[in-house]
Amino acid sequence: EAEVAQSPRYKITEKSQAVAFWCDPISGHATLYWYRQILGQGPELLVQFQDESVVDDSQLPKDRFSAERLKGVDSTLKIQPAELGDSAMYLCASSFGEAVKEDTQYFGPGTRLTVL
Amino acid sequence: EDQVTQSPEALRLQEGESSSLNCSYTVSGLRGLFWYRQDPGKGPEFLFTLYSAGEEKEKERLKATLTKKESFLHITAPKPEDSATYLCAPYSGGYNKLIFGAGTRLAVHP
Repeated sequence: EAEVAQSPRYKITEKSQAVAFWCDPISGHATLYWYRQILGQGPELLVQFQDESVVDDSQLPKDRFSAERLKGVDSTLKIQPAELGDSAMYLCASSFGEAVKEDTQYFGPGTRLTVL
Repeated sequence: EDQVTQSPEALRLQEGESSSLNCSYTVSGLRGLFWYRQDPGKGPEFLFTLYSAGEEKEKERLKATLTKKESFLHITAPKPEDSATYLCAPYSGGYNKLIFGAGTRLAVHP
């Protein structure tokens, strides 16, 4: 069964350091999403890609966060510099795309980030 | 502003004790609603998609229903393995943006 892959699964870093997360979506999925989930809350969308283009990054803190999906397949989310408040689970999801009525988003296992 | 509220925040059930979880929402341009299950430390797992008021979907001990303002997830005769956080997420507008609730943490005890 096809799955969304993410790495690393866990990351511990000190504040002011740079961190990067990687996501490989399900093959054939044109849309890729990055979410942040704070403990006890639901996931919040950070950025959404359609192929290699960003279609929604309204909630992405652009002063420190960046995301890219250069070839329209895998994606990297970067934080520089990390702050204490960035400690959270970072989830990647993918879907076929908006043209499909039942455009289900499938999630990866997530990266748990702890900033010390 | 779009809002999603799930209740209760936490629910403790005895094995076999049926109950319902609620998801109330105010979302403009609603196109549908997803239910996900999330185990601790893992990503959400897809359960159901509902598109129109009156629609129902079932999977094992779970049944999801949808009205114009809320959705219910009914759990019949739950087992300990049903323990998880259940998330609802209406979606709207272009690009199918999901708006997640905070979830209901369900604990089923033998």
